[in-house]
Amino acid sequence: GAGVSQSPSNKVTEKGKDVELRCDPISGHTALYWYRQSLGQGLEFLIYFQGNSAPDKSGLPSDRFSAERTGGSVSTLTIQRTQQEDSAVYLCASSFLAGPGGYTFGSGTRLTVV
Amino acid sequence: EDQVTQSPEALRLQEGESSSLNCSYTVSGLRGLFWYRQDPGKGPEFLFTLYSAGEEKEKERLKATLTKKESFLHITAPKPEDSATYLCAVEAGTYKYIFGTGTRLKVLA
Repeated sequence: GAGVSQSPSNKVTEKGKDVELRCDPISGHTALYWYRQSLGQGLEFLIYFQGNSAPDKSGLPSDRFSAERTGGSVSTLTIQRTQQEDSAVYLCASSFLAGPGGYTFGSGTRLTVV
Repeated sequence: EDQVTQSPEALRLQEGESSSLNCSYTVSGLRGLFWYRQDPGKGPEFLFTLYSAGEEKEKERLKATLTKKESFLHITAPKPEDSATYLCAVEAGTYKYIFGTGTRLKVLA
């Protein structure tokens, strides 16, 4: 597609439920990133995928968070047993190469845990 | 510890009133400094990359500069459509960006 597509755009879930957030990167972009943006805080790195290499999961805040990228394209971020502190905007970005040059971000998924 | 600090947190300007946004950083081995613009409900939109002290980049009414400790985003004669949150980020590792909390700019007509 022309840009990075994320779905859903908004998600309200009950505490304790699992949620899946989807990211469809720009075609041909080998690098894919997930960030979290909480109110009043800077973007927080979560996970990075590059081609077929093992992902860098060092930013995932707990083992309730996981992500996968199938076929080097679409990625899914899963949050199990959601907590209220998980409420945030989850942003996906992709780039042609890792490193300098700037990412292209999607519009994000706004997650609200009630 | 690698860190990015942006100031001011919020800025209100009259249309045509030029000003500058600041991004101070502490990082070992800067590989790049990035400026993004973020509109409400949207993801950040890439503006500039700066790699070395003394470098400058321009785009319409925006000009970004870089020193060894900070970057400035100069806005000349801003218009209401320049209202947005401006984010600064540095590349600390091979691909991880550290973002500041942003400056919320409001330009009044």
